[in-house]
Order: sequence, then structure tokens, then C-alpha cells
Amino acid sequence: GAGVSQSPRYKVAKRGQDVALRCDPISGHVSLFWYQQALGQGPEFLTYFQNEAQLDKSGLPSDRFFAERPEGSVSTLKIQRTQQEDSAVYLCASSSSREGDTEAFFGQGTRLTVV
Amino acid sequence: LAKTTQPISMDSYEGQEVNITCSHNNIATNDYITWYQQFPSQGPRFIIQGYKTKVTNEVASLFIPADRKSSTLSLPRVSLSDTAVYYCLVGGYTGRRALTFGSGTRLQVQP
Repeated sequence: GAGVSQSPRYKVAKRGQDVALRCDPISGHVSLFWYQQALGQGPEFLTYFQNEAQLDKSGLPSDRFFAERPEGSVSTLKIQRTQQEDSAVYLCASSSSREGDTEAFFGQGTRLTVV
Repeated sequence: LAKTTQPISMDSYEGQEVNITCSHNNIATNDYITWYQQFPSQGPRFIIQGYKTKVTNEVASLFIPADRKSSTLSLPRVSLSDTAVYYCLVGGYTGRRALTFGSGTRLQVQP
């Protein structure tokens, strides 16, 4: 596709349930980022991949959060035992650069609601 | 990471020029300055990026003074569709590849 695609667009999970959020980056983009955006706030960095290597996961809020990009393209963000505080929009972005000097393209996000 | 400070909100009218200033006092030598725009229920969208002096594209201009401790995003002749949140980001060759968003500036354009 022409842009970054995220699925599902909306996810409602019961507290304690595991969820998996998918990101299809722009083809050929080396860098992939995951962000979490709470209502009314700016996006908060979660993790960064360069190809299949997860080079920075310092923003993951707990060990319940796990991300992977096994073949250097599609990425999955998994949240185990979801809690209400995990409710947010999860944004994926990709970039052709290995550094922060070029445009990052964002998907529309997945809105996760934990009930 | 360089911290950015920008106004929480701004109001304008259609046809006016809007200038949003961002402070980044501890910007590093190799950091770029990037601005993103975000509409409700959408991901942020790149507007413009610069390193120093002035950059202009079809959407906006970015003014960066010599000391690079601040930058100003200029939107000429705004329309209602420019109502959005605008984020100033600083980063790049600092060893941290992810760009850090602040709280942004909510621009409301009135008719």
C-alpha cells in the first residue's frame, strides 16, 4: 500500500485479555516506531526497530508490552494481561532513514479500550 | 534529549498568517527541528524540517535563528482545515533515533 497500515482500527479488550496490534509499514522502510498516545496528549515513544533489530525499547511501560518485527517489515505490538491504563491510541510510524533526519510516516493508529 | 516548549493553544481567523514558536534551549549540534500536524483520529503528519536559517515548502515556512534555541513555524493564510495540533520535535543524530513529541499547540481557526 501507499502508506502505513495499522489493524485493527479499534479494539475493545476485557481487563486481563491479551491483544496484538499489527503494523504494515511502507515497503522498504528501514525504521519502524511504535508510539502510545493517551487522550489529549502527545504521542509517547514505545520502541524502535531498524529492520528486524529492536534497537530501543526503553519506552515500553512494563514487561507486559512486547514488540517484534521478525522479517524486517510487518511489526506486531503485543500487550499481555491488559489493564485499564493501557487504553490509548497506538501509533506506528516508518521511515526510510536510520536516523531522525527524514520524514516519518504514521498510520492512523489502533484505538485500544480496556474495559 | 532536547526538551521543547510551545504554547498550549492558539486561535486565529481564516486568511491570517499564524506563527507558532517553539523553544529548545538545549538543542544538540546535530539535532534537526521537525514539525508535525495531527488531526483528530489520525496519526501525525510531517510538515517541515530544518537545521538552520529558513526552510520553505508548499505548506509552511520554518524560521530558525542562528543560536537554534528556538524555531518558528509559519502557516500563511490559514483556513479552517488547518485546525489541528502542531508538534515541534528536536532530534536526529543524538543516539536516540525516535523523535520525542511534547504536548503540542492546539490551533483553532475560526471563520
